[in-house]
Amino acid sequence: GQNIDQPTEMTATEGAIVQINCTYQTSGFNGLFWYQQHAGEAPTFLSYNVLDGLEEKGRFSSFLSRSKGYSYLLLKELQMKDSASYLCAVILNSGNTPLVFGKGTRLSVIA
Amino acid sequence: GAGVSQSPSNKVTEKGKDVELRCDPISGHTALYWYRQSLGQGLEFLIYFQGNSAPDKSGLPSDRFSAERTGGSVSTLTIQRTQQEDSAVYLCASSKDGLLGGYGYTFGSGTRLTVV
Repeated sequence: GQNIDQPTEMTATEGAIVQINCTYQTSGFNGLFWYQQHAGEAPTFLSYNVLDGLEEKGRFSSFLSRSKGYSYLLLKELQMKDSASYLCAVILNSGNTPLVFGKGTRLSVIA
Repeated sequence: GAGVSQSPSNKVTEKGKDVELRCDPISGHTALYWYRQSLGQGLEFLIYFQGNSAPDKSGLPSDRFSAERTGGSVSTLTIQRTQQEDSAVYLCASSKDGLLGGYGYTFGSGTRLTVV
């Protein structure tokens, strides 16, 4: 089976930095996605990593180590609107094969 | 359309009834995916379509679940003889050329199904 692990919940303070980790053990690997999902809304695309290293996009960065089966999402200068679930997802093969999702990390940003 | 449209947004049905959930993907998106999300759980893959064919139906939880896609566009997910454990949010997503290039899916807002 496919195994993607993330912490269930995290809390961080407005203005701070938070790192959300994701580890995976899967039968194949062709890239990793991070999605943001506000309560009651659709998941929205945040980032994609296929090569090792850090991808930076504004306040959000995502890191991948393929040899370690590990990724993290880094959120800087946290804002209250960043309170949401963050979903890690792996694409196993090339083409249109479905993403395999972790259970998500619910982040609460407090004042 | 501009986004992925799902209908209805909410559905309450009695146990044992059949329901149909509809997904209208972004125009030109060849791949369409169905997932469901239960409270506190991750997204569970159900089925995906490439054009009108379904190469992977492995996620359908039982033979009460079926899906079709016509004209390479609209898809319908049908659940027969609904059970309480079918209660969940059913999410549809589409993508243009698969996931190469890292664009990922565009999700619809989902159908919240409650079986009473």
